[in-house]
Amino acid sequence: NAGVTQTPKFQVLKTGQSMTLQCAQDMNHEYMSWYRQDPGMGLRLIHYSVGAGITDQGEVPNGYNVSRSTTEDFPLRLLSAAPSQTSVYFCASGRAGEQYFGPGTRLTVT
Amino acid sequence: DAKTTQPNSMESNEEEPVHLPCNHSTISGTDYIHWYRQLPSQGPEYVIHGLTSNVNNRMASLAIAEDRKSSTLILHRATLRDAAVYYCILNYGGSQGNLIFGKGTKLSVKP
Repeated sequence: NAGVTQTPKFQVLKTGQSMTLQCAQDMNHEYMSWYRQDPGMGLRLIHYSVGAGITDQGEVPNGYNVSRSTTEDFPLRLLSAAPSQTSVYFCASGRAGEQYFGPGTRLTVT
Repeated sequence: DAKTTQPNSMESNEEEPVHLPCNHSTISGTDYIHWYRQLPSQGPEYVIHGLTSNVNNRMASLAIAEDRKSSTLILHRATLRDAAVYYCILNYGGSQGNLIFGKGTKLSVKP
């Protein structure tokens, strides 16, 4: 099993550009989520999904969209990048009590 | 969401036991206690979780106070690879729901 994979590993965007961060898991988990981690801080939840076709907002959803068309994939879209979205983004999938995190995408918005 | 309080940092010597404390005085009856750790430049990694009874797994032990207002993560023999930020998190009903991360405890391990 590959677990949770994220692409790209690094990305630099200009203000106003849009892009999609990819996340995939091969563990057949219904639950998936996206977090962001700013320097020296804990992780904050952006969006989550409890199954294909079902998504909901987390703590910091503004500026981000998600969709879940399959169990395996949960992409995160930045609609119009802003410098405040410079962060490390982690995707996770899991089941009750135990979640698995991907290696992260380091995003810089200039 | 119920809140947890952890020390900002702790130090340990290699091959000695480490006890990482966590206070959660507002915990409710259905909140599970989860521990994750994050090694430098990596995503968080699940360590252990429990509800009322003490729990053991290959990575660590979790000791939960009788009143559940505090818990302790125990690493039995710290190694240099255990140097990480350790997060104590309460999760409603043990569901596959959302984890609310605080700042955690940064553990340093000295050789």
